[in-house]
Amino acid sequence: AQKVTQAQTEISVVEKEDVTLDCVYETRDTTYYLFWYKQPPSGELVFLIRRNSFDEQNEISGRYSWNFQKSTSSFNFTITASQVVDSAVYFCALRRDSGGYQKVTFGTGTKLQVIP
Amino acid sequence: EPEVTQTPSHQVTQMGQEVILRCVPISNHLYFYWYRQILGQKVEFLVSFYNNEISEKSEIFDDQFSVERPDGSNFTLKIRSTKLEDSAMYFCASSDQQGVGNQPQHFGDGTRLSIL
Repeated sequence: AQKVTQAQTEISVVEKEDVTLDCVYETRDTTYYLFWYKQPPSGELVFLIRRNSFDEQNEISGRYSWNFQKSTSSFNFTITASQVVDSAVYFCALRRDSGGYQKVTFGTGTKLQVIP
Repeated sequence: EPEVTQTPSHQVTQMGQEVILRCVPISNHLYFYWYRQILGQKVEFLVSFYNNEISEKSEIFDDQFSVERPDGSNFTLKIRSTKLEDSAMYFCASSDQQGVGNQPQHFGDGTRLSIL
């Protein structure tokens, strides 16, 4: 069975602070994909990043960075210099690597509030 | 960039009535999914569909639910006799068979279903 745990239910930071959202996953698969999605108040799911289990290189995209540590089954997400527009619920997700079929297992989400 | 589109964006229905949620997946995609998100909770897998049949369904997807691909472009979720607890955001998603899942699962913007 696959499981994604986001222990932080809600986080509040003041604008321009850095914030890290934690994600820990469980899977018996040797190959899999990890994702982060952003869900703004309007409700849609916005894809942020996909990481293959073979690729443990950390990634940076503007103010966003991701730290994938296979040894600890973690895939943490850091926002640098947070902005009010970053306020949203962030979901970490896991998908087995099984060809075309791609059922996604989501974590419970972390609600981030950035205070101006 | 191609998108998954869902209609309507908001559906209000009386309890006990049938409702059909519509989705137009990305045109060259082969795998289709429905997910549900009860307000304030995580996104949960409902069902996957491939080659005109259900590939997998969750325990949530009981006999009240059905899916159909009535033509080459639409993918629908039907709830036969709605209950109050069916109130949620319903997301449609689609994916292709490229590589071994190199592409992220593409989500629509969701249909917010309110049962009165």
